[in-house]
Amino acid sequence: DAGITQSPRHKVTETGTPVTLRCHQTENHRYMYWYRQDPGHGLRLIHYSYGVKDTDKGEVSDGYSVSRSKTEDFLLTLESATSSQTSVYFCAISAGQLGTGGNEQFFGPGTRLTVL
Amino acid sequence: DAKTTQPNSMESNEEEPVHLPCNHSTISGTDYIHWYRQLPSQGPEYVIHGLTSNVNNRMASLAIAEDRKSSTLILHRATLRDAAVYYCICCGQNFVFGPGTRLSVLP
Repeated sequence: DAGITQSPRHKVTETGTPVTLRCHQTENHRYMYWYRQDPGHGLRLIHYSYGVKDTDKGEVSDGYSVSRSKTEDFLLTLESATSSQTSVYFCAISAGQLGTGGNEQFFGPGTRLTVL
Repeated sequence: DAKTTQPNSMESNEEEPVHLPCNHSTISGTDYIHWYRQLPSQGPEYVIHGLTSNVNNRMASLAIAEDRKSSTLILHRATLRDAAVYYCICCGQNFVFGPGTRLSVLP
């Protein structure tokens, strides 16, 4: 199994509070991704990173920010959590580009976030 | 929006082959076709990927149509552990996971 951990694995918080989710990898992969998964929506890309300090927005980036200060860590921050951000969050990594690069993506175990 | 089309659900009997179809009509010449699956309460896991030729690995086979606008994931002998949501992904720099196909395996 690829070395990807997510912390915390479960979190309950209140509306309006800041929340930071951490993704840590031991594979030295260049690309890291944050997805959210909700019933009926499959997985949706929030943000991704293509290197240290290089990030870009995904499909559902509003209300989220990310940071990547070193290769192994990718942080997802909800500046002011809302109930609509209740979801399961997955981190993923890949050695190179997806799509045209033919690279595999490896997923973490997920973080279940509940915003009351 | 997902650039692939898959049936919402399929059923199979245990130890029988399963053919999971996917349409990706907007595929370009450099787009790979990837398949992932997600077991209950887990993150997605890689199954197989290919570009033009059919591919085999220990988990499955991938049959790609000659015009590359469709593909089929083949599980040669379904087991109860293969019950999962199967995602076919194609045609973009970043992965777009649609709703996938929910495979049920009957004992």
